[in-house]
Amino acid sequence: NAGVMQNPRHLVRRRGQEARLRCSPMKGHSHVYWYRQLPEEGLKFMVYLQKENIIDESGMPKERFSAEFPKEGPSILRIQQVVRGDSAAYFCASSPGEAGGYTFGSGTRLTVV
Amino acid sequence: EDKVVQSPLSLVVHEGDTVTLNCSYEVTNFRSLLWYKQEKKAPTFLFMLTSSGIEKKSGRLSSILDKKELSSILNITATQTGDSAIYLCAARTGNQFYFGTGTSLTVIP
Repeated sequence: NAGVMQNPRHLVRRRGQEARLRCSPMKGHSHVYWYRQLPEEGLKFMVYLQKENIIDESGMPKERFSAEFPKEGPSILRIQQVVRGDSAAYFCASSPGEAGGYTFGSGTRLTVV
Repeated sequence: EDKVVQSPLSLVVHEGDTVTLNCSYEVTNFRSLLWYKQEKKAPTFLFMLTSSGIEKKSGRLSSILDKKELSSILNITATQTGDSAIYLCAARTGNQFYFGTGTSLTVIP
């Protein structure tokens, strides 16, 4: 079991392009969370998904950001028309249920040039 | 393979007890070690440690890094029920973070 896999590890996009970040949860985990790394070393919650459902997207910016977790395949965090301020590390975590047991991926570092 | 291991996996203590959580790491190009408290949705940043042997304190929580042993401990004294959470540590290498699976702490009254 390879744990939570995020790819790519590094992603460079020009302003205005789209960024797609992928997260494959651990086997048996049906809950996925996306976070953005803040400069002060904190992790800001973005969205919580279960298979085919968005449970809580209260941390997602209203525009340009979307997330999905299809029945088959990884969870995708999509950022349209990226801007410099989107440059950050994005982490996902998965869990078997709501009560915890989180496993984090190693993150995707997005750089917008 | 880079990895971070935390122990114990879970811990149940009574209010007032002191607990010590462990984090060991094997990563290349180590930069720093971070501790978080995970409650509900988002981990709360606790400490970042870069230098060996220097204790960082915040109230009842303290942490120290041992680069020789490739490990860190998080101490919580006089535990309270509000300390119940999952405590995560992460090792930073360049721009990558490697998280442990956490220690689940339950403090019972």
